[in-house]
Amino acid sequence: DGGITQSPKYLFRKEGQNVTLSCEQNLNHDAMYWYRQDPGQGLRLIYYSQIVNDFQKGDIAEGYSVSREKKESFPLTVTSAQKNPTAFYLCASSIKRRLTNTEAFFGQGTRLTVV
Amino acid sequence: AQKVTQAQTEISVVEKEDVTLDCVYETRDTTYYLFWYKQPPSGELVFLIRRNSFDEQNEISGRYSWNFQKSTSSFNFTITASQVVDSAVYFCVHSGNTPLVFGKGTRLSVIA
Repeated sequence: DGGITQSPKYLFRKEGQNVTLSCEQNLNHDAMYWYRQDPGQGLRLIYYSQIVNDFQKGDIAEGYSVSREKKESFPLTVTSAQKNPTAFYLCASSIKRRLTNTEAFFGQGTRLTVV
Repeated sequence: AQKVTQAQTEISVVEKEDVTLDCVYETRDTTYYLFWYKQPPSGELVFLIRRNSFDEQNEISGRYSWNFQKSTSSFNFTITASQVVDSAVYFCVHSGNTPLVFGKGTRLSVIA
């Protein structure tokens, strides 16, 4: 079945450690995104990529890094520089038609907790 | 810049009541899409509907209906005869030349 897979579903990290969240899609979508959601809040864009080997910062990129070496994969690293990393992270992908993004399909999310 | 406003933070209704979730957007894009997503307690985002900026025809899908009015920059969502399973957070979303922009969501609680 086509879709987006995020792993792991739950992740615990000690303060000062980097951690990488996985996101893989087999929908052949060009664009991929990472969003962060805090309790009771909407989704805020961390990074996005419209094409392989290229990505742009979103609204809250500080303390995060990404790579897009393959069309199917868009891993997110939460670095020790991120001051408040405990949150729910959602990965998404979409098709881009004539410069406009179509609806995004989301993974099931990774809940990161710093202990 | 694009912006989506969902003025209703939380709504509670009794089962079988109708409920409308409001969405107002701001955009500079001439071509854009608007979406509604549902986020149940499990956390995943479920796509409900897409509307492009050239199609103002309202849509009905079962108990769900959507009213898109470009003149007022609104894209409201109505649930008819609400059910407990409709309890979730609902997000209105804009997409154009920039990545998806989410409203802050409306938490709907349907009480049996």
